[in-house]
Amino acid sequence: QKEVEQDPGPLSVPEGAIVSLNCTYSNSAFQYFMWYRQYSRKGPELLMYTYSSGNKEDGRFTAQVDKSSKYISLFIRDSQPSDSATYLCAMSLRNTGNQFYFGTGTSLTVIP
Amino acid sequence: DGGITQSPKYLFRKEGQNVTLSCEQNLNHDAMYWYRQDPGQGLRLIYYSQIVNDFQKGDIAEGYSVSREKKESFPLTVTSAQKNPTAFYLCASSPHGEQFFGPGTRLTVL
Repeated sequence: QKEVEQDPGPLSVPEGAIVSLNCTYSNSAFQYFMWYRQYSRKGPELLMYTYSSGNKEDGRFTAQVDKSSKYISLFIRDSQPSDSATYLCAMSLRNTGNQFYFGTGTSLTVIP
Repeated sequence: DGGITQSPKYLFRKEGQNVTLSCEQNLNHDAMYWYRQDPGQGLRLIYYSQIVNDFQKGDIAEGYSVSREKKESFPLTVTSAQKNPTAFYLCASSPHGEQFFGPGTRLTVL
């Protein structure tokens, strides 16, 4: 079983839609949770970073962590064509000296 | 302007040659990482370093080598022993619980 599972998609939505991206994980010791956006042939860009459970909002993006269910989500409101990218979830155990565990990414296309 | 730089952006190698990929960061991060990204396989850890003059093998270290002589620099050498080196290589650094990535180097073996 993989440490982190992520539906690869592809996911296609109309402009303005609410997008929900999800990951599940198996290791209950994960404490730090991240979402990255990666455009084609570019490095991943850190979008959201949360510690432990709860919600975090930044503009159109909301990250949710449910440690009891071992489930994290990224919501994108009012999706734009510029949101078309691959979204990677990631998590780690400790504050420093970490290894990081990644999902395989979900490909999102927002249609104008 | 702080960040992580990788060079070159594109690299072509003949079979049997060693090549070195550069990674530099001016973020004052202690930890640095090298990943390989192949289509449909996600990110796979090659090597990581938590401190200068120390590094550990990741999941796919065979055929690769690294050094960490300075905090700012973590070069990756792809040796001729790496059987399938064509891939997108990503360098990252981490201050605490999150990780930041460079722009990547695309290596193609001819």
